[in-house]
Amino acid sequence: NAGVTQTPKFQVLKTGQSMTLQCAQDMNHNSMYWYRQDPGMGLRLIYYSASEGTTDKGEVPNGYNVSRLNKREFSLRLESAAPSQTSVYFCASSLQGAFTDTQYFGPGTRLTVL
Amino acid sequence: GDSVTQMEGPVTLSEEAFLTINCTYTATGYPSLFWYVQYPGEGLQLLLKATKADDKGSNKGFEATYRKETTSFHLEKGSVQVSDSAVYFCALSERRGGYQKVTFGTGTKLQVIP
Repeated sequence: NAGVTQTPKFQVLKTGQSMTLQCAQDMNHNSMYWYRQDPGMGLRLIYYSASEGTTDKGEVPNGYNVSRLNKREFSLRLESAAPSQTSVYFCASSLQGAFTDTQYFGPGTRLTVL
Repeated sequence: GDSVTQMEGPVTLSEEAFLTINCTYTATGYPSLFWYVQYPGEGLQLLLKATKADDKGSNKGFEATYRKETTSFHLEKGSVQVSDSAVYFCALSERRGGYQKVTFGTGTKLQVIP
């Protein structure tokens, strides 16, 4: 079991460029999440997918879009990158999205926008 | 809204010292409580959790007890090792609007020196 995988590991963009962060899980989980981690701020939820075929906004969705491609894959797209989107991005998944569920995290993508 | 407050770091301890990292929370309902650990360059992984009041979570020598009366979930370990050096996140989880809403603290960095 690979768990949750993310690509790429590192990325540098120029302001205005676009990119897609890929995430896949092999644990047959229903719920998937995208977070960003900034110094001194913990993790903040960008978007989530409670189940295959559904997506919804989290706490900080502006400037991002997502696609739940199938049960395994959940991608995050930056259409026009801005320096404020420089961050570390984590994908996570949980079995059913119950409040008792453990979330399993990928290794992260470190994104720099110049 | 929900919030998690944990002690500021970094915390520096000598090997075999006793560790306490304080965590208090504010929530409207009855959340589950988690401690996640993040090693350098990696994603978060579950350390332990407790899903109801008075439950004790434990793993790898770490313990935390869900105290509803003091709204706390302090992390303790009797004898730390160099390999425990990492960032520790306290988190609470509730079911909100059809998804698992997790609120993270800002993290406490622990450095253990030989």
